[in-house]
Amino acid sequence: NAGVTQTPKFQVLKTGQSMTLQCAQDMNHEYMSWYRQDPGMGLRLIHYSVGAGITDQGEVPNGYNVSRSTTEDFPLRLLSAAPSQTSVYFCASSYVAGAKDTQYFGPGTRLTVL
Amino acid sequence: AQKITQTQPGMFVQEKEAVTLDCTYDTSDPSYGLFWYKQPSSGEMIFLIYQGSYDQQNATEGRYSLNFQKARKSANLVISASQLGDSAMYFCAMRHLSGSARQLTFGSGTQLTVLP
Repeated sequence: NAGVTQTPKFQVLKTGQSMTLQCAQDMNHEYMSWYRQDPGMGLRLIHYSVGAGITDQGEVPNGYNVSRSTTEDFPLRLLSAAPSQTSVYFCASSYVAGAKDTQYFGPGTRLTVL
Repeated sequence: AQKITQTQPGMFVQEKEAVTLDCTYDTSDPSYGLFWYKQPSSGEMIFLIYQGSYDQQNATEGRYSLNFQKARKSANLVISASQLGDSAMYFCAMRHLSGSARQLTFGSGTQLTVLP
């Protein structure tokens, strides 16, 4: 059971480049989300999805796009990378129903924008 | 608006002693869940313990327990018999259970160092 997987683990971009961070889960979770973690701060929500075809913005959505064509995959697209997007990105998933909606996190992607 | 406050940026504890990591929260929703995650230096986020707002008893998971004081809006993590491997960043988080959002709101974290 792979859980939540993310690729790549590390990435260096130049300002203005675009790229897609991949996230996949094999637990049949309806809910998936993307967070970023900056030094000295907790995780902040970028975008989330409650099911295939449904996405919504979180706390810091600017500069990022998402789509959810399948239950398993939830890619995050950086449209035009900026140095302010240098961060560690985490993907997470959980069941939507039920009181104990524990979110399981992927290993993270460390992104540097030069 | 949801808010999580962790007032201890760093904590030290002697090996085998107990330590309490503080967490206070602010919400007007009666239905919510509180979570603690551990982030070791390797970077992954590890789920530790969960407390529901309607749970009558404090949650426990092995050496971890959650001191839940609903009226004070606090959810402190207690680690008993600290081990060197407990050295990590610890995050408190809250999730509303009503509505479709389900997003976690995180505190800024507490860096715990266990001393030999």
